[in-house]
Amino acid sequence: AQRVTQPEKLLSVFKGAPVELKCNYSYSGSPELFWYVQYSRQRLQLLLRHISRESIKGFTADLNKGETSFHLKKPFAQEEDSAMYYCALTDAGGTSYGKLTFGQGTILTVHP
Amino acid sequence: ETGVTQTPRHLVMGMTNKKSLKCEQHLGHNAMYWYKQSAKKPLELMFVYSLEERVENNSVPSRFSPECPNSSHLFLHLHTLQPEDSALYLCASSHLMTSGANVLTFGAGSRLTVL
Repeated sequence: AQRVTQPEKLLSVFKGAPVELKCNYSYSGSPELFWYVQYSRQRLQLLLRHISRESIKGFTADLNKGETSFHLKKPFAQEEDSAMYYCALTDAGGTSYGKLTFGQGTILTVHP
Repeated sequence: ETGVTQTPRHLVMGMTNKKSLKCEQHLGHNAMYWYKQSAKKPLELMFVYSLEERVENNSVPSRFSPECPNSSHLFLHLHTLQPEDSALYLCASSHLMTSGANVLTFGAGSRLTVL
């Protein structure tokens, strides 16, 4: 079975401070990990995925298979980063039909 | 309108009513999904359709009945719901690839309240 755990429901930081949103997963197969974000009054949207190995809006996330983690990091948080962040997992093979298993979500608040 | 469109955005219904949620995607995707977002719970996958064929039904009660008449439209028919079914119902679509890593595009959701 797949499971995604985001241990922090709420995370508050000040503008300019580093931020790390934690995500741990449990999956016996080959995982594909994503971070989705939901800004206030906007729909859920993809932020980044691990296979792209890219930085989006200053955020990066590295898949650590040894620790089964996919933490989201940004060195200098901005007020516009305030949102709900979801970590999600799917099977990397072709039979998963894109089914995503989501974590509980972390509400990030960046204070001025 | 482009993207994934859900209607209605808000719905209030009694336990004996029959209503439907509609989802439409204009992205040329070949898979569509229904997710349920309840307070204090992670997003839960309800149904997956690939090429208009249901490929996943995550033990959803029969009072929820999906329909996918074509690759652009997805419905969720509701009947004799319970108050605990009140939630935000999210539709999503994706372009399935054999290598996985499918990215889902979500609609804005339909907020359902069951009285």
